[in-house]
Amino acid sequence: EAQVTQNPRYLITVTGKKLTVTCSQNMNHEYMSWYRQDPGLGLRQIYYSMNVEVTDKGDVPEGYKVSRKEKRNFPLILESPSPNQTSLYFCASSAKLAGEHNEQFFGPGTRLTVL
Amino acid sequence: GENVEQHPSTLSVQEGDSAVIKCTYSDSASNYFPWYKQELGKGPQLIIDIRSNVGEKKDQRIAVTLNKTAKHFSLHITETQPEDSAVYFCAASRGNYGNNRLAFGKGNQVVVIP
Repeated sequence: EAQVTQNPRYLITVTGKKLTVTCSQNMNHEYMSWYRQDPGLGLRQIYYSMNVEVTDKGDVPEGYKVSRKEKRNFPLILESPSPNQTSLYFCASSAKLAGEHNEQFFGPGTRLTVL
Repeated sequence: GENVEQHPSTLSVQEGDSAVIKCTYSDSASNYFPWYKQELGKGPQLIIDIRSNVGEKKDQRIAVTLNKTAKHFSLHITETQPEDSAVYFCAASRGNYGNNRLAFGKGNQVVVIP
């Protein structure tokens, strides 16, 4: 089954404790992205990757890091989480079409609470 | 950069009636406009999309219309059913198309009343 998986689905942590949210897709997609969803703010892009070893900042990158060492994986790293990073996080992937946008497939989400 | 506005923020409709959600965008260079549906506890899922060379697209009970001159596009759901209750996000392509980036609206909560 074609899918995007995220782990963990739920996480409660404390300020300053480094954490990683994993994302994996099995569709051989070039593009991967991380979004955060907050009430009244919709979906905001954190980081995106156009291919292996190619990453770039989205709209709200502060406090986050990513890496893309393999095509299928795109982990989100919070080196020193703070309460304002409490949010619902989504990973997404899409195939590359020359010169055109394409459907983004979203993972099930990770609910993060930073105390 | 691209700015996408979505109205209304909440919409309640009687089962069987039609629902319409409208989005406006700011970047005249945008050429791809998808709509995503997010059910409770799940990630957004694409339900329909339209490219700028087309004015309307339909898929069973849902349709999307695009007015490039006015820079707005709308989602139309006919004969609404309880399973249509969800949050709907519109989006517009932005910037360099090689990066596949989208700007999302803030979402619209649709409630279908049985």
